[in-house]
Amino acid sequence: KAGVTQTPRYLIKTRGQQVTLSCSPISGHRSVSWYQQTPGQGLQFLFEYFSETQRNKGNFPGRFSGRQFSNSRSEMNVSTLELGDSALYLCASSLPALADSTDTQYFGPGTRLTVL
Amino acid sequence: AQSVTQLDSQVPVFEEAPVELRCNYSSSVSVYLFWYVQYPNQGLQLLLKYLSGSTLVKGINGFEAEFNKSQTSFHLRKPSVHISDTAEYFCAVTQPGSTLTFGKGTMLLVSP
Repeated sequence: KAGVTQTPRYLIKTRGQQVTLSCSPISGHRSVSWYQQTPGQGLQFLFEYFSETQRNKGNFPGRFSGRQFSNSRSEMNVSTLELGDSALYLCASSLPALADSTDTQYFGPGTRLTVL
Repeated sequence: AQSVTQLDSQVPVFEEAPVELRCNYSSSVSVYLFWYVQYPNQGLQLLLKYLSGSTLVKGINGFEAEFNKSQTSFHLRKPSVHISDTAEYFCAVTQPGSTLTFGKGTMLLVSP
């Protein structure tokens, strides 16, 4: 079974631009979560989608948004990029049987975003 | 609220020596616990997990961890490390319906 895939793997943008990152979960997985990883703050939770609905949200500004499609693929968007948005963005998928349950999260390789 | 503390930011060790990476958590309810490993320029790979049952959990690459509810700990151990184990290790906690909360990570540095 193929793992979680993320595209693109690397991105370079300039301040003020916007960016869209894509995540394809493991086949059959219905939950997708996004994390930001930086040397200073470590791994921080952005949001989680389950069956096209945002189920949980982390403490990030509204410039960070996401969505999930009917095939469980997910995208996250960052508008008006700032230098501090430079990070590794990780996507993880899981197979919760019910909306209020939790299952093991499997991570993709990440998208390395550099904002100049 | 749940939180995770990884007590050591770096652990240097010689090849073939044993190692223990420490993890403590805080939560008011029952938790699920995980250890992930991250190699340079890669995502996170699941090493092992504790959901319920036996408190001694065995994972991949010869790692194991023990869940200790009274001490709220989930320390990771390996009896003999290899150079290839050099990586960053993350402990994480979650509850049903909640999100994963990660520790700050421990860099395991294995030298010959």
